[in-house]
Amino acid sequence: EAAVTQSPRNKVAVTGGKVTLSCNQTNNHNNMYWYRQDTGHGLRLIHYSYGAGSTEKGDIPDGYKASRPSQENFSLILELATPSQTSVYFCASGDWGDEQYFGPGTRLTVL
Amino acid sequence: GQQVKQSSPSLTVQEGGISILNCDYENDMFDYFAWYKKYPDNSPTLLISVRSNVDKREDGRLTVFLNKSGKHFSLHITASQPEDTAVYLCAAGAGYQNFYFGKGTSLTVIP
Repeated sequence: EAAVTQSPRNKVAVTGGKVTLSCNQTNNHNNMYWYRQDTGHGLRLIHYSYGAGSTEKGDIPDGYKASRPSQENFSLILELATPSQTSVYFCASGDWGDEQYFGPGTRLTVL
Repeated sequence: GQQVKQSSPSLTVQEGGISILNCDYENDMFDYFAWYKKYPDNSPTLLISVRSNVDKREDGRLTVFLNKSGKHFSLHITASQPEDTAVYLCAAGAGYQNFYFGKGTSLTVIP
């Protein structure tokens, strides 16, 4: 069965601190995605990747970086966290034009 | 602009009734259309999807209708049950591109 895991599941960070959210998939999908979900906005795409070594900007990339060191792993990096980045972050994997499988989400609070 | 729009943020239906969820899209190149279901504090999961070569797809109590000329697709849930209460996200995409998600419609089925 498709499996996407995220860590940590919950994180409290301080303003200006660095935060790294990790995602691992065992689906052997080429594409991986990072979304954030906020009330009134639905799912918004931050960064995505179509293979190891690639990262692409999504719709709201400002303040975020991404890293895809391998087929299985995709990280989202907040170099200088701000309170506006408090949100629930979802990682997903999938192939073009097909179902995306989501991880359980990471709840990030930036104080 | 918003590529995929769900104009109704919420919908309430009596148990046993038909729930109709609507989604409009901007890009007439989109050829993949999907509905995801999301419970609070859970990740989205795929309910049903269609390609642009069909106008309708049924799966149990779920039916997706696609109106390409009107750039509109909908999800009909017959015999709605309290366990159908959730947020429903529509998504659309094209070939080698990412999906765009709507903001979601919160469905409440009243016993």
